[in-house]
Amino acid sequence: GNSVTQMEGPVTLSEEAFLTINCTYTATGYPSLFWYVQYPGEGLQLLLKATKADDKGSNKGFEATYRKETTSFHLEKGSVQVSDSAVYFCALNAGGTSYGKLTFGQGTILTVHP
Amino acid sequence: GAVVSQHPSWVICKSGTSVKIECRSLDFQATTMFWYRQFPKQSLMLMATSNEGSKATYEQGVEKDKFLINHASLTLSTLTVTSAHPEDSSFYICSARDWAGDIKVAKNIQYFGAGTRLSVL
Repeated sequence: GNSVTQMEGPVTLSEEAFLTINCTYTATGYPSLFWYVQYPGEGLQLLLKATKADDKGSNKGFEATYRKETTSFHLEKGSVQVSDSAVYFCALNAGGTSYGKLTFGQGTILTVHP
Repeated sequence: GAVVSQHPSWVICKSGTSVKIECRSLDFQATTMFWYRQFPKQSLMLMATSNEGSKATYEQGVEKDKFLINHASLTLSTLTVTSAHPEDSSFYICSARDWAGDIKVAKNIQYFGAGTRLSVL
């Protein structure tokens, strides 16, 4: 079956530090990959996505590259801000008969201190 | 961006009662909505896929008679937890998929509600 594994958190960083949140996946076929962010008290928001191998998704300074050879989609940001504190979810959509369904990782809590 | 409104945000009920949760797409039509359940410190688990005008498709292990889903319009889906028990206490999240009308260009982007925390006493 399909699955997503994220690095365990919580992750605590100082402002302007470099961020990496690891994500690996298992899927049949050619999935699309996503990062969602959930701020306190809000719904999940799409942060970035990649639909095929070697695609790089980017948004708000965050980046992630779809690596088929390592089945990974690690999230990175060069300089985090306090406002980036949130829960980050890696997810995949396997397409085909499961079109539209998302399989999520367990989420990683990020806390950024001033 | 697209907005999905979920109501209520928090509900407390007595064991044995039923609770209805609403999910509305405010500025787009959603032929498909999804219902997820999230346990503390765990991921979102898909419960069911709700298609407007037809019966919901439930994931394996989800009791369809326990979790009734109705998707009567293009902007509203409801989840009713029937005869709730303490083990049903959880965080329930809905999402709606923005549909461009053509599968080749469909925007496979789900917009999420803020969630409903259900506590069953």
